[in-house]
Amino acid sequence: GAGVSQSPSNKVTEKGKDVELRCDPISGHTALYWYRQSLGQGLEFLIYFQGNSAPDKSGLPSDRFSAERTGGSVSTLTIQRTQQEDSAVYLCASSSAVPNEQFFGPGTRLTVL
Amino acid sequence: AQTVTQSQPEMSVQEAETVTLSCTYDTSESDYYLFWYKQPPSRQMILVIRQEAYKQQNATENRFSVNFQKAAKSFSLKISDSQLGDAAMYFCAYRSSNAGGTSYGKLTFGQGTILTVHP
Repeated sequence: GAGVSQSPSNKVTEKGKDVELRCDPISGHTALYWYRQSLGQGLEFLIYFQGNSAPDKSGLPSDRFSAERTGGSVSTLTIQRTQQEDSAVYLCASSSAVPNEQFFGPGTRLTVL
Repeated sequence: AQTVTQSQPEMSVQEAETVTLSCTYDTSESDYYLFWYKQPPSRQMILVIRQEAYKQQNATENRFSVNFQKAAKSFSLKISDSQLGDAAMYFCAYRSSNAGGTSYGKLTFGQGTILTVHP
């Protein structure tokens, strides 16, 4: 694929359910980032992965949020026991290395009812 | 921690005219990058222009240029000859260059400015 892809495009869930959001980075990109865009908080960093290094999880808002990156490629962001305040657009980005330009995917819009 | 502030929630411009979007930031670092991203209704963030703090020359990309004032910590975006396709949300962003710092790699965004282009 030419760009970063994310799935699903939209997700509606009920409060208390777990959700998984997927990100496919640009092939060969070693760095992968997750951001959250919400009305109340704007655009905020969540977590990033760089190669085989330990991820920087400093932006995760609570222990209900976790992410993994398998095989240095695809990443999954998991939100457990979703709350209404988790409703937001979740954006994924990748770069060929941490200092380089970040290319963004189209995002997943999560709605928690 | 770094902060980025965009004080204009909304701006509008007539097609073919020029508009300037404002951005200020706060940091104690001397070396960093600044960016302007465009987010159309499709939600996909697109890099418009970037500026390295150590470069005094203002970056330009076709109709887009910046006015980077390091001492004032100001980074405005000028869009010349505005086109209908320029209508979008614009975000100013900061990224540290300090590989050993806690902010390395992360983009810190401003609140965004919605730009409307009138035909």
